[in-house]
Amino acid sequence: AVQLTQSPSSLSASVGDRVTITCRASQGIRSDLGWYQQKPGKAPKLLVYAASTLQSGVPSRFSGSGSVTDFSLTISSLQPEDFATYYCLQTYSYPLTFGGGTKVEIK
Amino acid sequence: EAQLVESGGGLVQPGRSLRLSCAASGFTFDDYAMHWVRQAPGKGLEWVSGINWNSGSIEYADAVKGRFTISRDNTKNSLYLQMNSLRPEDAALYYCAKALSYNILTGLIFFDHWGQGTLVAVSS
Repeated sequence: AVQLTQSPSSLSASVGDRVTITCRASQGIRSDLGWYQQKPGKAPKLLVYAASTLQSGVPSRFSGSGSVTDFSLTISSLQPEDFATYYCLQTYSYPLTFGGGTKVEIK
Repeated sequence: EAQLVESGGGLVQPGRSLRLSCAASGFTFDDYAMHWVRQAPGKGLEWVSGINWNSGSIEYADAVKGRFTISRDNTKNSLYLQMNSLRPEDAALYYCAKALSYNILTGLIFFDHWGQGTLVAVSS
């Protein structure tokens, strides 16, 4: 199974900060990676798929990049509603796997 | 707007069975693949199983293979997960999720809509 390693596992940041979360795959997965945001008590929300395609309705301050084994999610200017946990997901091969998550907290 | 509503969760003893259901609305159900994803309390997300639009392709996580069965009824706009031989480690919030495309083997396998989940507890 493809393992996804997210880093950091948590971070503290202030409103307006630029934040980058990384996801490294244990083998090449082309661009078959997505990013999800999850807030407490809520279902995950798709932010980015195919590594860099922004899902409809997602603010443009979110962006995804990378390919093969190294990927990143960047929030260009952190907003109060962005404090949440973020997960990457690979769809290159079954079983589909998620990263361990990155919790973004208020500094 | 797509809407997914899970049901069927509850407290069950180890070794027993449970059947989860997911009622879909707001989109053409038989145009899309569907998946189950679970999340143990305080833990991360774990993909469980997926089924393509016509039930022709099905995949399972190793942890549930041979014990869980995914199915769908396109005439009822419903997705199911039959869970047998339940173990304490199966305890989680189970989400139903709609895929971006009809196929689970190629194309956009990502999940764009999720239900609110149904909670499964496994304990004696």
